[in-house]
Amino acid sequence: DTGVSQDPRHKITKRGQNVTFRCDPISEHNRLYWYRQTLGQGPEFLTYFQNEAQLEKSRLLSDRFSAERPKGSFSTLEIQRTEQGDSAMYLCASLDRFFNEQFFGPGTRLTVL
Amino acid sequence: AQTVTQSQPEMSVQEAETVTLSCTYDTSESDYYLFWYKQPPSRQMILVIRQEAYKQQNATENRFSVNFQKAAKSFSLKISDSQLGDAAMYFCAYRRIILNTNAGKSTFGDGTTLTVKP
Repeated sequence: DTGVSQDPRHKITKRGQNVTFRCDPISEHNRLYWYRQTLGQGPEFLTYFQNEAQLEKSRLLSDRFSAERPKGSFSTLEIQRTEQGDSAMYLCASLDRFFNEQFFGPGTRLTVL
Repeated sequence: AQTVTQSQPEMSVQEAETVTLSCTYDTSESDYYLFWYKQPPSRQMILVIRQEAYKQQNATENRFSVNFQKAAKSFSLKISDSQLGDAAMYFCAYRRIILNTNAGKSTFGDGTTLTVKP
């Protein structure tokens, strides 16, 4: 399967703990996006990369959030000192620029207790 | 800022019938893309159909078609001959064209849950 993969699929953590999620895009896609989706709402943009460069960050991405994409391949999203309001589905997508289609991963569901 | 509004939180359709999902958006840009995505329960979001704003012709993909009204900023999705597998949440999305690339972020509506009755 050569689709976008995300790990872990589910994460339960206690408030105040740090968590890190990983996204592996489709290998030939140089653009990678992170979105957050809460129950009953559409995905909200967090940040995106072109290769290893982080080109845009949403105001939703507070100082507790950091994302990286070393070497322009996989990406990680870290949340420090988690809060209950961070509970959501975190979606990763990569972009096929030739066919103008974003391919989404299955998401990581975070529950902060 | 761009916004996308889906005014129908839930819709239902009888199998084999036709249903239309509504979407309106707000933008000051003249060049952009519009998309409909399908998100089945606990499954990945997949692209259903896309429309380039500069194209006057409405996009069609098999049983799925759109009614794109640029002046009204309206972008509805019509599903013909509905099937049980069409049951899912459907999201309308907007993406601005930046510097002649398609690389910008997407702005999503809050979705419409479609139920298909056998």
